[in-house]
Amino acid sequence: RKEVEQDPGPFNVPEGATVAFNCTYSNSASQSFFWYRQDCRKEPKLLMSVYSSGNEDGRFTAQLNRASQYISLLIRDSKLSDSATYLCASYNQGGKLIFGQGTELSVKP
Amino acid sequence: GAGVSQSPSNKVTEKGKDVELRCDPISGHTALYWYRQSLGQGLEFLIYFQGNSAPDKSGLPSDRFSAERTGGSVSTLTIQRTQQEDSAVYLCASSFGGPGHDTQYFGPGTRLTVL
Repeated sequence: RKEVEQDPGPFNVPEGATVAFNCTYSNSASQSFFWYRQDCRKEPKLLMSVYSSGNEDGRFTAQLNRASQYISLLIRDSKLSDSATYLCASYNQGGKLIFGQGTELSVKP
Repeated sequence: GAGVSQSPSNKVTEKGKDVELRCDPISGHTALYWYRQSLGQGLEFLIYFQGNSAPDKSGLPSDRFSAERTGGSVSTLTIQRTQQEDSAVYLCASSFGGPGHDTQYFGPGTRLTVL
């Protein structure tokens, strides 16, 4: 089992739609979780850090479910500019930040 | 403020040559990380430095890869006798505190192409 696993993509949604991504992690002791956004041929940019039950920033909401060991990212009212790959990351027991493979989102007009 | 910077942005080299990639972390960040991202793949951890502690080299794929961090700031990743499979984007990140908790911020990466 991979240490961090994400929903397979791509997700193709119309503008204005709500879309949710899930990410499971294997380190039950992890306290820190991150969602990064990566545009094509660019570096990952931090979208949201999650240290407790969840976090919200405008149209973006991240929720942490410790019992089931997953975090989710909800994007409301999708914009064309939200099209990107979304990477989930969590620290493993060795202190390394482990990334999922990423979920590609394509928002269409 | 200034973010993580990397140079060069692109590097094309011939198989068998050595290359050096440079990373300048965010000022004040004590931890520095190197990752590799191959086309269409996730990020692969290579090495991290935390303050003056010995680096964690557990992710380096072979002994052709090495890294240094001088003065607790700038880091250089060296790949000796490059192979075509080394072609990838090499990303550097830094964080204020050590690994296990803090947010990592990434530089723009160096795109390495080995012919």
